[in-house]
Amino acid sequence: SQQGEEDPQALSIQEGENATMNCSYKTSINNLQWYRQNSGRGLVHLILIRSNEREKHSGRLRVTLDTSKKSSSLLITASRAADTASYFCATAGTSGTYKYIFGTGTRLKVLA
Amino acid sequence: DTAVSQTPKYLVTQMGNDKSIKCEQNLGHDTMYWYKQDSKKFLKIMFSYNNKELIINETVPNRFSPKSPDKAHLNLHINSLELGDSAVYFCASSQREVDEQYFGPGTRLTVT
Repeated sequence: SQQGEEDPQALSIQEGENATMNCSYKTSINNLQWYRQNSGRGLVHLILIRSNEREKHSGRLRVTLDTSKKSSSLLITASRAADTASYFCATAGTSGTYKYIFGTGTRLKVLA
Repeated sequence: DTAVSQTPKYLVTQMGNDKSIKCEQNLGHDTMYWYKQDSKKFLKIMFSYNNKELIINETVPNRFSPKSPDKAHLNLHINSLELGDSAVYFCASSQREVDEQYFGPGTRLTVT
């Protein structure tokens, strides 16, 4: 199984601070995606990073990918209370059907 | 306009009943999915369809039967509901299997 695992499981920070979440996976991937889920809502796509990319930015989000360590990190800079949500990584393998495996999620709480 | 919509949003039913959840996407995507999210927020893929053809069937009991009448719709029918089926079911779509996915708001199923 190439299930992603996020670390930490839960994170509580003050508004304005940076939040870093990590994702580890087990097998070679085609790409890795990060999603956000607000309480009681569906998942929202944040960033997709391909296996040949090392870093990607989108607004206050920065994602890195280290395929040698089979890990990725999501950095949210200058966090806001509205960033409070669960964050998931999802990985798809390199062969056959691209079945995305979602990680266990990091619950981020940003305190105002 | 809602990109991926699901109905109903809440479903409360008794064991043994049969129920359906409907999903529609207006994004023109070729691929649609059903996911199950359990009480621990673990998200697991159940089915995936590409252009109305089943491409992923993830060891789901055959009480669950997806049906895709056209590219924009993917419905989920569940027979003989069991307590363990209680969860939130998410529909999603993507242009291609390797692309970012757009999720519906979820259907919270409670079996009593």
